[in-house]
Amino acid sequence: QVQLVQSGAEVKKPGASVKVSCKASGYTLNKDMLYWVRQAPGQSLEWVGWINGRNGNTKYSQRFQGRVTITRDTFASTAYLELTSLRAEDTAVYYCARWSTDTIGYYYYMDVWGAGTTVIVS
Amino acid sequence: DIQVTQSPSSLSASVGDRVTITCRASHNIKSSLNWYQQKPRRPPKLLIYGASTLQNGVPSRFSGSGSGTDFTLTITNLQPEDFATYYCQQSNDIFPLTFGGGTRVEI
Repeated sequence: QVQLVQSGAEVKKPGASVKVSCKASGYTLNKDMLYWVRQAPGQSLEWVGWINGRNGNTKYSQRFQGRVTITRDTFASTAYLELTSLRAEDTAVYYCARWSTDTIGYYYYMDVWGAGTTVIVS
Repeated sequence: DIQVTQSPSSLSASVGDRVTITCRASHNIKSSLNWYQQKPRRPPKLLIYGASTLQNGVPSRFSGSGSGTDFTLTITNLQPEDFATYYCQQSNDIFPLTFGGGTRVEI
């Protein structure tokens, strides 16, 4: 069974950093891209960044440039999201999601999601 | 950036109703539009990709249509478990990837 298991909730002070993990099971993390998406309370979904599982290349939303780092440990089949200089507005649930494609490789979508990690900055 | 606008932001419906949610993209995204369902305290669940293809295991009362800039998610014969928030997402330009604002379907 393909699943993504995320680390537990975090409470941080403003200015601190947080590192959230996302462990893949049932599939190979270094085969696909993995996205991080966040959702502030009562808000929609917001893309944070992604990592290419094959080569470790990353791309980040400009909103988080300089504050976010996504890494992966292929041996542990785990990806990590680190966000620094936390502020109250970073309070949100952070999700990792697998970026997958249809059988002909034409359409792309997030088909497997982690349960989410709540990060509270206060 | 491709903006994605959903409407309505919320709607009230009854079991058995037919519900329609629309999503408009600011640029032509062909058929690169996905729909997700999210229930409280749960992650989003993929319903439809490529504007109209049902993800495995999703009931056939869900359907999607559209291309270019205008898209629709339709739920026929609304069931109690369908009360949730629905999001569209464009996948034509992944930098940045963008989501609609969500539509809450409530009783």
